[in-house]
Amino acid sequence: DAKTTQPTSMDCAEGRAANLPCNHSTISGNEYVYWYRQIHSQGPQYIIHGLKNNETNEMASLIITEDRKSSTLILPHATLRDTAVYYCIVGSNFGNEKLTFGTGTRLTIIP
Amino acid sequence: DSGVTQTPKHLITATGQRVTLRCSPRSGDLSVYWYQQSLDQGLQFLIQYYNGEERAKGNILERFSAQQFPDLHSELNLSSLELGDSALYFCASSVGTGSRETQYFGPGTRLLVL
Repeated sequence: DAKTTQPTSMDCAEGRAANLPCNHSTISGNEYVYWYRQIHSQGPQYIIHGLKNNETNEMASLIITEDRKSSTLILPHATLRDTAVYYCIVGSNFGNEKLTFGTGTRLTIIP
Repeated sequence: DSGVTQTPKHLITATGQRVTLRCSPRSGDLSVYWYQQSLDQGLQFLIQYYNGEERAKGNILERFSAQQFPDLHSELNLSSLELGDSALYFCASSVGTGSRETQYFGPGTRLLVL
């Protein structure tokens, strides 16, 4: 599985855009980038995923660099409820379905 | 609400005992995954079932077993429990199988072994 590197923690002011980086320099051509978050001890929540094009949904935007070696999750207007641990995950080889969670980024939204 | 349900929410038991955790996937989902989250290990994949058959295995101990029933609900059986088995156990489900399937997680079962 391709490994990911994320900052351990980040702060963001409420109402501002939160930009969470992820490095996945060993990603292979058919691997997707997934983002999940975990609020306190709740079950991880799917946010967004992409292959090589930028993606946007009602929760966030995902920007993937052209060489696919890194990506950024953007929460456009962060709220206090966005305080969570954010996991960047690269999909494992086809046929191996498990999600490999790293340590993630603990994002704290500051009032 | 992800649509995945897990029971019980909390479980307290003693070492050496056996417990069963239950998971009901989202309507229409054929795959069920089990994960363990402990303080020192993070989220670890245990096992996956797809339409009743074991599909993938992760770091699951021999004392643990799982199955998926014809109605697609799944049970995770933990036996000869040890203090170190205390953790949050999450179930997730997806429509099909494959690394590109989005997994939806349940609220978890918090197991405390005393």
